[in-house]
Amino acid sequence: DSGVTQTPKHLITATGQRVTLRCSPRSGDLSVYWYQQSLDQGLQFLIQYYNGEERAKGNILERFSAQQFPDLHSELNLSSLELGDSALYFCASSVGSGGFETQYFGPGTRLLVL
Amino acid sequence: DQQVKQNSPSLSVQEGRISILNCDYTNSMFDYFLWYKKYPAEGPTFLISISSIKDKNEDGRFTVFLNKSAKHLSLHIVPSQPGDSAVYFCAAGGSGTYKYIFGTGTRLKVLA
Repeated sequence: DSGVTQTPKHLITATGQRVTLRCSPRSGDLSVYWYQQSLDQGLQFLIQYYNGEERAKGNILERFSAQQFPDLHSELNLSSLELGDSALYFCASSVGSGGFETQYFGPGTRLLVL
Repeated sequence: DQQVKQNSPSLSVQEGRISILNCDYTNSMFDYFLWYKKYPAEGPTFLISISSIKDKNEDGRFTVFLNKSAKHLSLHIVPSQPGDSAVYFCAAGGSGTYKYIFGTGTRLKVLA
């Protein structure tokens, strides 16, 4: 158990809908990272938050947004969902702001868009 | 453009033998590398890392080798155990960046 929790574990929704994925980092970790893993793909970095502020951005679509709250949990919002958004979404956390830090991953949320 | 490549999607090895998983990268600015292991229905778990000032790092049965001139790293598992059966991801990052680039993974199967 990494100490990172993600809810829900599974999510099935329809195209055009909006969903929110939630992540709670390990106790004491200030950074939260979001990744997307599509079928047969590696982990694609989406976005990082550090202590409530956006720190780094990857290949995140404009339809997607995230935030980190004062209690350090984070939410990833996916809107106008398309079939291609079906994927595993992982959240990871680390102690500091990034760089050469180990990231600890949650179990992921499996999103299926029908 | 895939900056981190794991060209072998799968690998089967007999229990007790050596498993060698390979990873190539294209960005010469990468100077920190990690390996993660992932079991089904779980998130990736950190395994071992290496910075570019070293060419080898060892942790128990796991050793990572880095060849900077070839932009290549490998993970050696000796001896391999059935519990090592998982998907292994390599990841690379550069100084001052806040993100790692992950490869597509290699599925290792250790046969008993």
